Amino acid sequence: DTEVTQTPKHLVMGMTNKKSLKCEQHMGHRAMYWYKQKAKKPPELMFVYSYEKLSINESVPSRFSPECPNSSLLNLHLHALQPEDSALYLCASSHPRGTNTEAFFGQGTRLTVV
Amino acid sequence: AQSVTQPDIHITVSEGASLELRCNYSYGATPYLFWYVQSPGQGLQLLLKYFSGDTLVQGIKGFEAEFKRSQSSFNLRKPSVHWSDAAEYFCAVLSFTGTASKLTFGTGTRLQVTL
Repeated sequence: DTEVTQTPKHLVMGMTNKKSLKCEQHMGHRAMYWYKQKAKKPPELMFVYSYEKLSINESVPSRFSPECPNSSLLNLHLHALQPEDSALYLCASSHPRGTNTEAFFGQGTRLTVV
Repeated sequence: AQSVTQPDIHITVSEGASLELRCNYSYGATPYLFWYVQSPGQGLQLLLKYFSGDTLVQGIKGFEAEFKRSQSSFNLRKPSVHWSDAAEYFCAVLSFTGTASKLTFGTGTRLQVTL
């Protein structure tokens, strides 16, 4: 099973709402990632969890709050977002290091902030 | 800092024609390089990877890529393109920080296939 599952597929939220994006993998990967992708742009890294610990935070605003409850799950909690945060949010997983560190991506959550 | 450059924003080829998408990297050590494909509104699918060893790597869907250290390139090729290959293609380089790794993507090349 090389699947990364993201829910929901689409999300529309107001600027005062609180919502969460979820990501799950069962490949035994101990690294999980959140990327943000705007239209016609490449994915940009937001967060990296390695062995369930936050390892990289690419200076993401605090209105985005990641959480890694266990080695299979990754959440992204959203609060007080701005319209410019509308984007495709991609989750990925991989082995943290070594020669099998290729990342597998989910299908993404299309987020619209109104 | 590590980076990849994809010089071609948009390429159009006829179905059945050959394809080459360019990627140049900047990295101090031996790079770990990848090609991903993305259909509209979808996630990224790994086509192939290069870590070390044989400089010609084979991937899925009939794609291959050649690592050339002297040219700092990792170009993607396919002998005969199918209409279903129309998508966005991203080259990426892997870097390591402590116990973590991260991908840095090029700006992408949009492939259009004409029938």
